[in-house]
Amino acid sequence: AQSVTQLDSQVPVFEEAPVELRCNYSSSVSVYLFWYVQYPNQGLQLLLKYLSGSTLVKGINGFEAEFNKSQTSFHLRKPSVHISDTAEYFCAVSEWWAAGNKLTFGGGTRVLVKP
Amino acid sequence: DTAVSQTPKYLVTQMGNDKSIKCEQNLGHDTMYWYKQDSKKFLKIMFSYNNKELIINETVPNRFSPKSPDKAHLNLHINSLELGDSAVYFCASSQDSELAGGEQYFGPGTRLTVT
Repeated sequence: AQSVTQLDSQVPVFEEAPVELRCNYSSSVSVYLFWYVQYPNQGLQLLLKYLSGSTLVKGINGFEAEFNKSQTSFHLRKPSVHISDTAEYFCAVSEWWAAGNKLTFGGGTRVLVKP
Repeated sequence: DTAVSQTPKYLVTQMGNDKSIKCEQNLGHDTMYWYKQDSKKFLKIMFSYNNKELIINETVPNRFSPKSPDKAHLNLHINSLELGDSAVYFCASSQDSELAGGEQYFGPGTRLTVT
C-alpha cells in the first residue's frame, strides 16, 4: 500500500522569502508524484508532476520539486513567495495498476504568506 | 468551458434526508472519482469508475451510492444523511492511460452541511 507524509502541517513565511514543503512517500511499485494547490474555497489545481526523466520538475507559478528515489521524497520549493501563494498544498502519489490508478494524498501543508 | 463541474456548490440539509451531488466532465476522460475532504482538509478517495464500471470502492458506508449513466457523468447519492457526512466532496477525472501518469482534474467541490 502506498502512503504520503507531509511533514509540516503549517508553514508561515514572509513575502519574497523562499519556501520548501516536504513530502515523503512509500510505495511498493513505481510511482508517479504530484503536487496540487488548493486556494481558499476552491478545488485542487495541479502545480507539477513527476512521471519519469529529469528528477527536477518545474511547475506553474514558479514552483519546482525534486524527486529523490533513495530518500523517497518529493519536496516542493519556491525561491520567492507572494501573498497570492497563501493556500493549502497537497503532495500525492499515484499507483498505476491494471484497472486504473489510485491517487493517495498527504495530509496537506498550509502556507501562510505574511507581508 | 469548465472541465469538471459539480452541482450544487453548497448543500445544507437535515439529518435523515437523502441528497444527490452531480458531476460532469467534458475532457473525454475514461475514469471519474469521488473524494471526501474533511474539516482538517484530509482528502480520501471514495469511489472510482472507469467507463461506467466501478473499480475502486473504499471503505464507505453503503448509504453512499455512486451512479455513472455514461462516462462523462458520475453522480453521488447519499441516503439517511448523518452529521459526520458534513464535508466537501470533490469529483475528479483522469485519462485511462499509464502514459498520463494518473493526473487527475478536480471539480470545484460541493460543501455538504448536515444539521
